Amino acid sequence: AQKITQTQPGMFVQEKEAVTLDCTYDTSDPSYGLFWYKQPSSGEMIFLIYQGSYDQQNATEGRYSLNFQKARKSANLVISASQLGDSAMYFCAMRDYRDDKIIFGKGTRLHILP
Amino acid sequence: EAQVTQNPRYLITVTGKKLTVTCSQNMNHEYMSWYRQDPGLGLRQIYYSMNVEVTDKGDVPEGYKVSRKEKRNFPLILESPSPNQTSLYFCASSLYVGMNTEAFFGQGTRLTVV
Repeated sequence: AQKITQTQPGMFVQEKEAVTLDCTYDTSDPSYGLFWYKQPSSGEMIFLIYQGSYDQQNATEGRYSLNFQKARKSANLVISASQLGDSAMYFCAMRDYRDDKIIFGKGTRLHILP
Repeated sequence: EAQVTQNPRYLITVTGKKLTVTCSQNMNHEYMSWYRQDPGLGLRQIYYSMNVEVTDKGDVPEGYKVSRKEKRNFPLILESPSPNQTSLYFCASSLYVGMNTEAFFGQGTRLTVV
């Protein structure tokens, strides 16, 4: 069965430092997609970045990059030069080709300190 | 503007009083789903729909109903709400079922059942 694990319930990071949020996943399907979403205190879910299982290169979107290690089944989100506005809950999610679901991890709450 | 619209944003109701949370998307998406978010549990899927008149149970369907009579609308119905259904609810849509399609989320509905 599919599973997403985020082992860091909360993190505190100094402003301007880089942040790595951990995500490991489990699926038996060779075709899948991995997503990261940000949920600020206002509650909305904001899509950040996508990585496909067949993508050769790690995905990047501005200050966000995804450190994709397929053999280890990990898809860590890296935020470079963190900002106060990055304080939020972050969810890792997965969708595979066969299943009809997007499943989510339990989230990591990131606090950026001034 | 492309969006997923949920109503109401906030709702306090009493045990047993039927309620409906509406969800509408204007992107002609085939896939729609409902999630509930609870502290420490992340987002869990309640129901999903792959197209008009096609719905299926997610991981936590008990106590909920849905319908998909039109492509754009996917209401969530609580026939007899109970306090354990107090939660933050999200409707989401994506273009189609597939590993590389991200979900677009509504603003969320915070439901309290007393």
